[in-house]
Amino acid sequence: DAGVIQSPRHEVTEMGQEVTLRCKLISGHNSLFWYRQTMMRGLELLIYFNNNVPIDDSGMPEDRFSAKMPNASFSTLKIQPSEPRDSAVYFCASSLRGTTEAFFGQGTRLTVV
Amino acid sequence: SQKIEQNSEALNIQEGKTATLTCNYTNYSPAYLQWYRQDPGRGPVFLLLIRENEKEKRKERLKVTFDTTLKQSLFHITASQPADSATYLCALVGGRSYNTDKLIFGTGTRLQVFP
Repeated sequence: DAGVIQSPRHEVTEMGQEVTLRCKLISGHNSLFWYRQTMMRGLELLIYFNNNVPIDDSGMPEDRFSAKMPNASFSTLKIQPSEPRDSAVYFCASSLRGTTEAFFGQGTRLTVV
Repeated sequence: SQKIEQNSEALNIQEGKTATLTCNYTNYSPAYLQWYRQDPGRGPVFLLLIRENEKEKRKERLKVTFDTTLKQSLFHITASQPADSATYLCALVGGRSYNTDKLIFGTGTRLQVFP
């Protein structure tokens, strides 16, 4: 397996534009986590899914953020409209169960200008 | 509110010495505690997991302790090498109080090992 795959690796967009980040889970994993990492706040959990169902989205900062799992192997995180303060590295991670080790993707570095 | 605290200042040690990193938490009763390593420009990589009923876990040069009374975990790297230089993150999972599989991370401690 190629591991967790995120795309794009880098995204530069203008304020107000819609941004979609993508994540492909490791085959067979049933837990999916989206994180945002900044120097100031570290690695923050935004939302996590078990078996394609969102379990806890209390970390999603605002209604501008939304996440979906249309199937067991794929997830998207959308920001609409984007703002400069959304600039960060966004990671997704998957695990076989929520309590075992999580495998992270390489991250998407988002810059909103 | 729930907090996971790690030393924000970098830890600088000499090659061959033992590095000890601390993770303290409050308002949590986690079922598991995990440690990850993160290199610049990369995602965190899992190192070790310890359960609430385990006091200590070892893997090669790594040792983790878990004290649920003190609400603290210590992470040791013995015979440290320059290649161990990275940021180390602790993470808490689940717990009876929360009935959840949330994986929450501390802010991490940067370790620098000098030759």
